Amino acid sequence: QKEVEQDPGPLSVPEGAIVSLNCTYSNSAFQYFMWYRQYSRKGPELLMYTYSSGNKEDGRFTAQVDKSSKYISLFIRDSQPSDSATYLCAFYSNSGYALNFGKGTSLLVTP
Amino acid sequence: DAGVIQSPRHEVTEMGQEVTLRCKPISGHDYLFWYRQTMMRGLELLIYFNNNVPIDDSGMPEDRFSAKMPNASFSTLKIQPSEPRDSAVYFCASSGGVGGYQPQHFGDGTRLSIL
Repeated sequence: QKEVEQDPGPLSVPEGAIVSLNCTYSNSAFQYFMWYRQYSRKGPELLMYTYSSGNKEDGRFTAQVDKSSKYISLFIRDSQPSDSATYLCAFYSNSGYALNFGKGTSLLVTP
Repeated sequence: DAGVIQSPRHEVTEMGQEVTLRCKPISGHDYLFWYRQTMMRGLELLIYFNNNVPIDDSGMPEDRFSAKMPNASFSTLKIQPSEPRDSAVYFCASSGGVGGYQPQHFGDGTRLSIL
């Protein structure tokens, strides 16, 4: 079983839609949770960072963590064409400083 | 503030040649990471440094790969000799701040093609 599972997509939605992106993980030692956005030919850019179960909101983005189910989500409200990118979930375990990444979900927001 | 700076942005070279990738981390960050990204395997950690000292190099694929961090503002990843299967995008990232497990900030990568 892979440590991190993330649907690669592509996910295509119309502008203004609510987008839900998800990752599941198997390692109970994962304690810190991140979402990165990666545009084509660019490096991953940090969007959200949290270490507790529950919701964290930042503008149009909401990160949700459910440690008991080992499941994290990223919601994007009022999606824009500029949100078209690949979204990667990432995790720190409490045993080191290596980030464990999902393979990313490709999102396309159409005007 | 300047982010993580990598050079070159693109590198095309022939099999067997030596390749050197360079990274300047964000000033004040004490952790530096080298990743490789491919379609098949996603982002993989190769090696990371803390205060210029290599901490974990278990992700380095073989002895052909080596990394150094001679000072807090510069790191290199070297491949010698290069092979076509080394073709990938190589990212450098840095992190730092009070407390552990700070988020990592990435450069825009070096796109490496080995012919």
